[in-house]
Amino acid sequence: DTGVSQDPRHKITKRGQNVTFRCDPISEHNRLYWYRQTLGQGPEFLTYFQNEAQLEKSRLLSDRFSAERPKGSFSTLEIQRTEQGDSAMYLCASSLSSGGAYNEQFFGPGTRLTVL
Amino acid sequence: DAKTTQPTSMDCAEGRAANLPCNHSTISGNEYVYWYRQIHSQGPQYIIHGLKNNETNEMASLIITEDRKSSTLILPHATLRDTAVYYCIVRVRDGANSKLTFGKGITLSVRP
Repeated sequence: DTGVSQDPRHKITKRGQNVTFRCDPISEHNRLYWYRQTLGQGPEFLTYFQNEAQLEKSRLLSDRFSAERPKGSFSTLEIQRTEQGDSAMYLCASSLSSGGAYNEQFFGPGTRLTVL
Repeated sequence: DAKTTQPTSMDCAEGRAANLPCNHSTISGNEYVYWYRQIHSQGPQYIIHGLKNNETNEMASLIITEDRKSSTLILPHATLRDTAVYYCIVRVRDGANSKLTFGKGITLSVRP
């Protein structure tokens, strides 16, 4: 399967713990996005990378959240000191940007986080 | 990105065409109309996009009005597997700001 993969698919943690999620994009895609989705809502943008560079961060991304894409391939999203309000589905997507145009985003299956 | 409005839900019978409307009255000349869908417990899936001409692919057809203020996604022969939330999004296709802004979408229920 050459689609976007995310690990783990489910994570249950206690309030105050740190969690880290991984996303592996489609191999030739240079853009990688993180979104968060709560129950009954559409996904909300968190941040995106072009290669290694983090080009935009949403105001939703508090200082407890950090994302990296060290080699321009996989990415990690870490949440420190988790709160119950962090419970959500965390979605990763990738796309190919060439020149001034870019193609549609392909999404992974998501990581469902439950903070107790 | 321009805001879109969609009905909350609709249903259709299996085998019939599903016509999903979307209003985007403030769309700009360089903004495209995109449709994604999200089947329960999965990530969103790209369906189709268009600028002003009608578009068709193996999944669906997209009909955009001449004034571009509204569009309709058509699933020609809906199946039970098409039950999902469908999101209509308008955005500039070429640019550094490439995030998708999702609304709540329309929930399509296909009944047997």
